[in-house]
Amino acid sequence: AQSVTQLDSQVPVFEEAPVELRCNYSSSVSVYLFWYVQYPNQGLQLLLKYLSGSTLVKGINGFEAEFNKSQTSFHLRKPSVHISDTAEYFCAVTVIQGAQKLVFGQGTRLTINP
Amino acid sequence: DSGVTQTPKHLITATGQRVTLRCSPRSGDLSVYWYQQSLDQGLQFLIHYYNGEERAKGNILERFSAQQFPDLHSELNLSSLELGDSALYFCASSSTGSGTQYFGPGTRLLVL
Repeated sequence: AQSVTQLDSQVPVFEEAPVELRCNYSSSVSVYLFWYVQYPNQGLQLLLKYLSGSTLVKGINGFEAEFNKSQTSFHLRKPSVHISDTAEYFCAVTVIQGAQKLVFGQGTRLTINP
Repeated sequence: DSGVTQTPKHLITATGQRVTLRCSPRSGDLSVYWYQQSLDQGLQFLIHYYNGEERAKGNILERFSAQQFPDLHSELNLSSLELGDSALYFCASSSTGSGTQYFGPGTRLLVL
């Protein structure tokens, strides 16, 4: 079975500061990795994904993430955040073969202070 | 806009009642997934349908059932509702082999 741990439940940062949201996963088979964002009272929007190839993936809104297989991590980064980035961020994994259900972490609430 | 639609957006009902949530996948997507988001359990996978057939079940209660119709839309039926069923229910769809799921806006269910 797969599991995802988001190491920080809340991350407060100041506007224009860099941010890193940490995600570690556990799986005995190869996985695909995702970050989704949920703005207040909205659904889940795909930020970025790692399926194969370059371990550094770029997503929407200036976010990027790096897949590290040896550390089983997929941390999300942004060099300069904006007030509009205030949201809940979810890391998720799915196995490459099989049912492809998503297994989510518990989420990280990113709060941007002016 | 992900292209996945869900109706209704909000639903308020009473304990013991039955409700039906509807999902239309993105054009061309054969897979539909249902998830439940609650404060205590987080985001949990419920069930997966592919082209009308059930493919996988997660933590779905026996009081809940789903189906996918020939036009590929899906319905999630929740019966004998309890207070603890209050949650946000998401539908997601994906194309065959893509590995990527796109989510609808969700249906917020409140059981009183």
